[in-house]
Amino acid sequence: DGGITQSPKYLFRKEGQNVTLSCEQNLNHDAMYWYRQDPGQGLRLIYYSQIVNDFQKGDIAEGYSVSREKKESFPLTVTSAQKNPTAFYLCASKDAPGPYYGYTFGSGTRLTVV
Amino acid sequence: AQKITQTQPGMFVQEKEAVTLDCTYDTSDPSYGLFWYKQPSSGEMIFLIYQGSYDQQNATEGRYSLNFQKARKSANLVISASQLGDSAMYFCAMREGRTGTGNQFYFGTGTSLTVIP
Repeated sequence: DGGITQSPKYLFRKEGQNVTLSCEQNLNHDAMYWYRQDPGQGLRLIYYSQIVNDFQKGDIAEGYSVSREKKESFPLTVTSAQKNPTAFYLCASKDAPGPYYGYTFGSGTRLTVV
Repeated sequence: AQKITQTQPGMFVQEKEAVTLDCTYDTSDPSYGLFWYKQPSSGEMIFLIYQGSYDQQNATEGRYSLNFQKARKSANLVISASQLGDSAMYFCAMREGRTGTGNQFYFGTGTSLTVIP
């Protein structure tokens, strides 16, 4: 079945460490996105990529970095510069530029700083 | 200003009854799309229904319908015949502009729906 796989489901990070969240899709979608979700808040866009080897900052890109070397993969690195990284992270993809279809989401990674 | 406003943090509904989840939006772009997503406790966001700004009819998908009132900038989700499995967070979202992968989605803060047996 086609879909988006995020791993790991739970991740613990010590302060000062960088961690990388994986996002892989087999939907052949061109565009991929990373969102952050905090309790009581909606999703906020971190980074997105419309094509391989190209990506754009979203609203809250500070302290994060991404790469898009393959169409299927869009990993997110949470760096030590991110002041409050504890959150739920969702990866999404979208066919492009399509009709009304919304995102397809992964099942998320919950990151906790210990 | 908030692009998407969901004013109901939590809602309760009796099983088999209908429930309306409110959503208002703010945009000056004449072309936009409105979406509803369901997020169960597992965390995955599940697409439910879509309404385009130029659509004349209200969208329907099975037990889900979208009450689109363009002049009031309102896009309420109606769930008919609620089931226990409908208990989840529900998010309203908007895409401004014409379709395209560069268009950001704006999400509301969500409504937690609990279906009571």
